[in-house]
Amino acid sequence: AQKVTQAQTEISVVEKEDVTLDCVYETRDTTYYLFWYKQPPSGELVFLIRRNSFDEQNEISGRYSWNFQKSTSSFNFTITASQVVDSAVYFCALSERVGGTSYGKLTFGQGTILTVHP
Amino acid sequence: EAQVTQNPRYLITVTGKKLTVTCSQNMNHEYMSWYRQDPGLGLRQIYYSMNVEVTDKGDVPEGYKVSRKEKRNFPLILESPSPNQTSLYFCASSQIPQETQYFGPGTRLLVL
Repeated sequence: AQKVTQAQTEISVVEKEDVTLDCVYETRDTTYYLFWYKQPPSGELVFLIRRNSFDEQNEISGRYSWNFQKSTSSFNFTITASQVVDSAVYFCALSERVGGTSYGKLTFGQGTILTVHP
Repeated sequence: EAQVTQNPRYLITVTGKKLTVTCSQNMNHEYMSWYRQDPGLGLRQIYYSMNVEVTDKGDVPEGYKVSRKEKRNFPLILESPSPNQTSLYFCASSQIPQETQYFGPGTRLLVL
């Protein structure tokens, strides 16, 4: 069974600090997909990134960066120079095949609540 | 505008009174899915559908039913709601499940 663990329940930082959100996953499949979503206080879910298991290149998008390491089954998310608007709940998610056929089953981590103080 | 809509957005009901939460997408997506969000548990998948008339259980399907008679609609049915189904529900869609999912705005349900 697939499993996603976000061990940090809550993180509190001061504006301009860098912060890393950890995500560790378990899967028996060799082909899978990983996602990060953001849920701001307004409640909607906002897509941040999608990564397939064959692409281990790290990615940077503005102040956001992601470190994917298959060797440690981790897909960590770093915010550089955090801002108050980054305050949100962040979810890591894993999609793998069920029964060798479809990727329909999606497993989310418990989420990390990030609070950025001015 | 590409979107996933859910109705109602808020619902208070009583134990045992059947209810349906509708979900509709206008992107011609084949894949649709329902999740519930509870504090400390993240989002858990209830049911998903790979296409019309093709549905399957997620991690927490007990107490729920779904149907997919048309591509755009994927209603969630609670035949006999119980207080432990009080939660925030999200519907999502994508062309295929490996792709980015577009989420609806959520439905907050309170079962008394």
